[in-house]
Amino acid sequence: DAGVTQSPTHLIKTRGQQVTLRCSPISGHKSVSWYQQVLGQGPQFIFQYYEKEERGRGNFPDRFSARQFPNYSSELNVNALLLGDSALYLCASSPDGQRNQPQHFGDGTRLSIL
Amino acid sequence: QKEVEQNSGPLSVPEGAIASLNCTYSDRVSQSFFWYRQYSGKSPELIMSIYSNGDKEDGRFTAQLNKASQYVSLLIRDSQPSDSATYLCAVIRGSTLGRLYFGRGTQLTVWP
Repeated sequence: DAGVTQSPTHLIKTRGQQVTLRCSPISGHKSVSWYQQVLGQGPQFIFQYYEKEERGRGNFPDRFSARQFPNYSSELNVNALLLGDSALYLCASSPDGQRNQPQHFGDGTRLSIL
Repeated sequence: QKEVEQNSGPLSVPEGAIASLNCTYSDRVSQSFFWYRQYSGKSPELIMSIYSNGDKEDGRFTAQLNKASQYVSLLIRDSQPSDSATYLCAVIRGSTLGRLYFGRGTQLTVWP
């Protein structure tokens, strides 16, 4: 069975641009979460979606937005990119986002801002 | 105080030894605890989950949870060079459904 898939794998943007990252969860999983990981740190929570509804949002500015589609795939959008947005963006899925369910990560999208 | 704290290491052990990784958390009502392994340049890979006090064993890995002390650990027996990676402790707090709080990770090196 396919795991969590993310695209693209790498992306280079310049300051001020906008970016869209995509994620397809494990088949049968209805919850998708997004995390940002900067070098040397653990992942930081950005959003969680379940059944197309936002269930949680981390401490990120409004430049970050996301949505989930009827097939449970998800997109993360970041506007007005800053140098500090350079990071590995991770998508994780779980069956329905409950506390006792492990989250499985995709390979991530490495975003570099020049 | 950070939600999840780990010794950043690096931790270095010889092949065949036991590697011990530690993690403390601040929210007393946290309910779910996970260990992820992350190789350099890769994404985190789930290796253990634990939800109740005590030990949980899976092959060479043992997770230990002590909710009274707000402490969770991971033991790796018979460490192999292929275990060399960063180990991330993650916690789901009682008040946040499905949101993982991560520590900074402990870098482990197993030398032959």
